[in-house]
Amino acid sequence: ETGVTQTPRHLVMGMTNKKSLKCEQHLGHNAMYWYKQSAKKPLELMFVYNFKEQTENNSVPSRFSPECPNSSHLFLHLHTLQPEDSALYLCASSQGYGDSYEQYFGPGTRLTVT
Amino acid sequence: GQNIDQPTEMTATEGAIVQINCTYQTSGFNGLFWYQQHAGEAPTFLSYNVLDGLEEKGRFSSFLSRSKGYSYLLLKELQMKDSASYLCAARDSNYQLIWGAGTKLIIKP
Repeated sequence: ETGVTQTPRHLVMGMTNKKSLKCEQHLGHNAMYWYKQSAKKPLELMFVYNFKEQTENNSVPSRFSPECPNSSHLFLHLHTLQPEDSALYLCASSQGYGDSYEQYFGPGTRLTVT
Repeated sequence: GQNIDQPTEMTATEGAIVQINCTYQTSGFNGLFWYQQHAGEAPTFLSYNVLDGLEEKGRFSSFLSRSKGYSYLLLKELQMKDSASYLCAARDSNYQLIWGAGTKLIIKP
């Protein structure tokens, strides 16, 4: 238990569906992250929020839309996804952004796009 | 471009020692992290190096050579529970983490 929870743990959706992934951290951290993890590939950073402000958007397609209503919650809204978007989506948080702050990860949402 | 290289898979015997290497090329450097990820679970933080040398933490140690762009994770007295993927990540000058694809470590009895 890392103090970062994600729901749902598994999600199967069609290409025309709209769904949302939720992340909550109970660590009092100020930075939150969304990553995509595909088999045998490096973690891909998608979005970073620091004190609720988006600081990074690594050329992520617009079919992925993040939302950070407060420093404890992070959402990833999904719509009209493609089969290649099937992956494990990990949320992480850290005390701050940058420097030596390690990141604490949630268990991930396994997403399958059919 | 920025890149992290680490072996895809390694096999070791219970009770033995294993060294997992990582080389990095980044735009600037602000530290190197090692994470452990068991199958189906979240990555968990193992170590952080920003200065040259060896950092020891129980059975796990991590080494950094900034001049060589090289790090390794040393695991001693291997246990079956150490079977996992080990992720190397370097922080660049913009404080972004550049991740390796991970090394899957298989421990055999």
